[in-house]
Amino acid sequence: EVQLVESGGGLVQPGGSLRLSCAASGFTFSRYWMHWVRQAPGKGLVWVSRINTDGSSTNYADSVKGRFTISRDNAENTLYLQMNSLRAEDTAVYYCARDGLYNSGLDVWGQGTTVTVSS
Amino acid sequence: QSVLTQPPSASGTPGQRVTISCSGSRSNIGSNFVYWYQQLPGTAPKLLIYRNNQRPSGVPDRFSGSKSGTSASLAISGLRSEDEADYYCVAWDDSLSGVVFGGGTKLTVL
Repeated sequence: EVQLVESGGGLVQPGGSLRLSCAASGFTFSRYWMHWVRQAPGKGLVWVSRINTDGSSTNYADSVKGRFTISRDNAENTLYLQMNSLRAEDTAVYYCARDGLYNSGLDVWGQGTTVTVSS
Repeated sequence: QSVLTQPPSASGTPGQRVTISCSGSRSNIGSNFVYWYQQLPGTAPKLLIYRNNQRPSGVPDRFSGSKSGTSASLAISGLRSEDEADYYCVAWDDSLSGVVFGGGTKLTVL
């Protein structure tokens, strides 16, 4: 079964750091670009970052640029999001998503992990 | 404020046809594919339409997408109660070098 499972969320103080993980299974992880998308409580979906197949190319939303770092370990079939200098506005459910081949969209999503930034 | 503009809400009665619009600009919808996602309450988003008007396997043909210039739309025909969800349009933005989402449209089936 094709699956993405996020972990690493939790409560962190403003200015703190957290690393999210997304474990992939059921498909050849190294063939796919991957994304992080977040959703603040009661709000809409917002794109955070993406990474290409070998990790050599990354893109970020302006709101997280310089604070968040996306990476991947193809040997471990795992996607990461290192989040530093966290702010209250980073509070959200964070989803990882697979970017389907040939522009077929974000076709597989994880269940999400919740990050709460609060003192 | 989202780069792609959607109406915050839409509604219809069972069996009706509803359309959700998505307005962008030349740097996003005008030059890239549009995607639509459905998010049922309390669940992860699900891909509904890709490459402007293609349906993934398993998505009913009641759902259709279209694009013209810098706008796109999602149509749902034969509305059903289980279609009650939030719908998002998405595109790549060349100027931002990033993915942009619409603000989402909450569909209510009356």
